[in-house]
Amino acid sequence: GNSVTQMEGPVTLSEEAFLTINCTYTATGYPSLFWYVQYPGEGLQLLLKATKADDKGSNKGFEATYRKETTSFHLEKGSVQVSDSAVYFCALTGTASKLTFGTGTRLQVTL
Amino acid sequence: DTGVSQDPRHKITKRGQNVTFRCDPISEHNRLYWYRQTLGQGPEFLTYFQNEAQLEKSRLLSDRFSAERPKGSFSTLEIQRTEQGDSAMYLCASSLGGGAIGYGYTFGSGTRLTVV
Repeated sequence: GNSVTQMEGPVTLSEEAFLTINCTYTATGYPSLFWYVQYPGEGLQLLLKATKADDKGSNKGFEATYRKETTSFHLEKGSVQVSDSAVYFCALTGTASKLTFGTGTRLQVTL
Repeated sequence: DTGVSQDPRHKITKRGQNVTFRCDPISEHNRLYWYRQTLGQGPEFLTYFQNEAQLEKSRLLSDRFSAERPKGSFSTLEIQRTEQGDSAMYLCASSLGGGAIGYGYTFGSGTRLTVV
């Protein structure tokens, strides 16, 4: 079945540091890939998505590229802010409508 | 529209009691999903509806769990004879049309269940 593996957290960075959160997946067919973010006390929010190989999703300075050859969808941001502190989930969906999530990576950004 | 609403936000119940959660999706969304999230894990799919029809149920959804979506509007998730292992955050999401790529999923803030 489908599965998503994320790097374990927490990830602690200083403000303006470069961020990478690794995500790899196993899926049959051609899944669509997503990053969701969960801020404290709030619901999951879609951060970005990519629906086919080599697509790059981007939003709010975050980027991720759908790499079919390495089955990866790593999240990157060039300069993080304190307000980026949250839990980030990599997810995929295939032929069904349901999402399969990774375990989440907590990001803590300090001044 | 204020998004996906879930009620209650928190529920503490004694083991063996029944609980019911409610989800009000975005009004024009025809698909509604339930997920469960335990501490330190990502959300896991439980079930989803298209309009009033329940189209898929996860094996995680034991016989003690039942979900309904009468008239294709709000949905309820009931857990009978709760167990401590049911303690989790229960998330509801809705989408418009073919949410097969997850595009347009909107999640609620969840109901946190604690079984004591």
